[in-house]
Amino acid sequence: DVKVTQSSRYLVKRTGEKVFLECVQDMDHENMFWYRQDPGLGLRLIYFSYDVKMKEKGDIPEGYSVSREKKERFSLILESTSTNQTSMYLCASSTPYRDRGYEQYFGPGTRLTVT
Amino acid sequence: AQKITQTQPGMFVQEKEAVTLDCTYDTSDPSYGLFWYKQPSSGEMIFLIYQGSYDQQNATEGRYSLNFQKARKSANLVISASQLGDSAMYFCAMREPYQTQGGSEKLVFGKGTKLTVNP
Repeated sequence: DVKVTQSSRYLVKRTGEKVFLECVQDMDHENMFWYRQDPGLGLRLIYFSYDVKMKEKGDIPEGYSVSREKKERFSLILESTSTNQTSMYLCASSTPYRDRGYEQYFGPGTRLTVT
Repeated sequence: AQKITQTQPGMFVQEKEAVTLDCTYDTSDPSYGLFWYKQPSSGEMIFLIYQGSYDQQNATEGRYSLNFQKARKSANLVISASQLGDSAMYFCAMREPYQTQGGSEKLVFGKGTKLTVNP
């Protein structure tokens, strides 16, 4: 089974602190994604990466950066957190199989609270 | 404009009955894919079913089927014989076409429907 893990399930940070959210997948997938999920808004794409050291902005990249130094690991970085970054953060990786629609597998999520 | 619209914020169904969750989408690209994901209260997104735009038949996966009406741009999820464990948020998503080198793609999600199955 594909496994996508995230470093923390819950985090509480103070405004202005730096946060690293780490995601690891074990299926050798090339594509990885970071989303944030807010009530009533669904999931919105922050950044994605299609190869090591390659990244592309999603729909809401402001206030975030990412790092992909190894194929299995994709990190989301919040340089200076603000209260409007309180959210659920979901990482995903996708299969290379067209007949499965390049299905995305998700991690369990990190619920970040910024006070 | 929303690309994925789920008009039902919440739905209720009796155990063992069937339920349909609505999803309409907007795209001008002839090649696209549609997904349904389930998110229980634990938070993990679980893949349920996939329909490609060129697929001739409606997709089915166990108790889940996708009622794909291309002309209407709708991709409704049908859950047969509901179970208590089906209570969760359900998200419809569309795969956007290739826009980058490396063939990466994005999913665009709807806002979700909260399904409650009553005993």
